Amino acid sequence: SQQGEEDPQALSIQEGENATMNCSYKTSINNLQWYRQNSGRGLVHLILIRSNEREKHSGRLRVTLDTSKKSSSLLITASRAADTASYFCATDNSGAGSYQLTFGKGTKLSVIP
Amino acid sequence: SQTIHQWPATLVQPVGSPLSLECTVEGTSNPNLYWYRQAAGRGLQLLFYSVGIGQISSEVPQNLSASRPQDRQFILSSKKLLLSDSGFYLCAWSHKGGQPQHFGDGTRLSIL
Repeated sequence: SQQGEEDPQALSIQEGENATMNCSYKTSINNLQWYRQNSGRGLVHLILIRSNEREKHSGRLRVTLDTSKKSSSLLITASRAADTASYFCATDNSGAGSYQLTFGKGTKLSVIP
Repeated sequence: SQTIHQWPATLVQPVGSPLSLECTVEGTSNPNLYWYRQAAGRGLQLLFYSVGIGQISSEVPQNLSASRPQDRQFILSSKKLLLSDSGFYLCAWSHKGGQPQHFGDGTRLSIL
C-alpha cells in the first residue's frame, strides 16, 4: 500500500504564482523526501526533511513537516515554466540497514507561461 | 562526481522472450542499489534492492529477478516476459547512510 499520498493529483498555475503540494502518510517515519520527475525521465532528489525537523528551505523550495498530523507540504515560490513536472513524496519508515523508500503517486504540476 | 547509467532507454519485446536490463554506477563504491517499476500515472514500486555483491532482497513476488555480479552493477532479468511486465523501470543508488536515492533515466519496456 502507498505510504505517501500526494494532493492534489494535478495542479495547473500561471508562471510567477506559488505552487503548494501536500503529502500525507500513515506510519512513523525517519525522514520524508521530495523528488521531481520530468516526463519520461528519472527522479531527481529535491529535499530531505528529518522527523525532528519542521521546516526546510532550498532555493525556491520550502518543505514543512508535521509529524503529529503525518503530513508534509512542498511550496514552490515564483514558479517557472521549467518547474513543470511530477512531484513525489517518499517516506523512509524502514528499520536500520534497509534504507527503503515508499513513494506516493505524485502531483503533476503544469506551469503555464 | 557520481553517475548512474541505465540501458537501453526503450525496449520492445514479445511476450515470452527473456529480459536483461543493466544499471551501472560510477564514482562511488559499495552503494545500495535499487530497481523500481513505475506504471503509467503511478508512483514507484520497489522491486529489488541490494546492499552488496550477491545480496538481493525482493519486495514483490513476480516474474522478475535481479543480480549484482559486481559492486556497481545491477541487472534486472526475466526468463519469460508477461504482458503485465510492461512499464518504466528505474534503477537508483544511495550511499550506505541510506538517503537520498539517485536515479537513472529509466528504461521504457513495452511487451507485445
